[in-house]
Amino acid sequence: NAGVMQNPRHLVRRRGQEARLRCSPMKGHSHVYWYRQLPEEGLKFMVYLQKENIIDESGMPKERFSAEFPKEGPSILRIQQVVRGDSAAYFCASSHNSNEKLFFGSGTQLSVL
Amino acid sequence: SQQGEEDPQALSIQEGENATMNCSYKTSINNLQWYRQNSGRGLVHLILIRSNEREKHSGRLRVTLDTSKKSSSLLITASRAADTASYFCATAFAKAAGNKLTFGGGTRVLVKP
Repeated sequence: NAGVMQNPRHLVRRRGQEARLRCSPMKGHSHVYWYRQLPEEGLKFMVYLQKENIIDESGMPKERFSAEFPKEGPSILRIQQVVRGDSAAYFCASSHNSNEKLFFGSGTQLSVL
Repeated sequence: SQQGEEDPQALSIQEGENATMNCSYKTSINNLQWYRQNSGRGLVHLILIRSNEREKHSGRLRVTLDTSKKSSSLLITASRAADTASYFCATAFAKAAGNKLTFGGGTRVLVKP
């Protein structure tokens, strides 16, 4: 049973480009969470999705950021027109039920030049 | 802020010594979890303690929870060099959707051989 898979591991974008980060949850998990981490800091919640639905997006910027978790395929975190301040590690986590521990992927390190 | 706050921010100990770190939070929780992160990697779940529990053990780990003081502690006994990592507490707030976790800033632990 593979763990949470994130790709790419590293992503380099120039300012103004789009970044698409993918997350495949553990098999059987229907709850997906995205977090952002800056160096030497804790993780900041961005969005919580359950198959095809956004449950809580209170941590996600209103502009340029969007997330989806389609019926088929991975969850996607999309950042349009990236700026240098978007540079960070983005982690995805999944859980089977809504009140259990989270399983984290290895993260995508986004660097904006 | 509802965020958990860890104390100390950094800890340096000799192999074989015990390491203790604390976490405080501000609002009612369903559970509190501790995670470990090795440099540049995803988070690994260590232990979950529910709001009606006071103490849990897992191997060399001991977690306590005091809901009256809104605080928790993580004790690592007989530390090893491999325990060198950042440790984060995360709280699942009672009114939050799903298992949305709010992370503290972490305690960076260095275990010297």
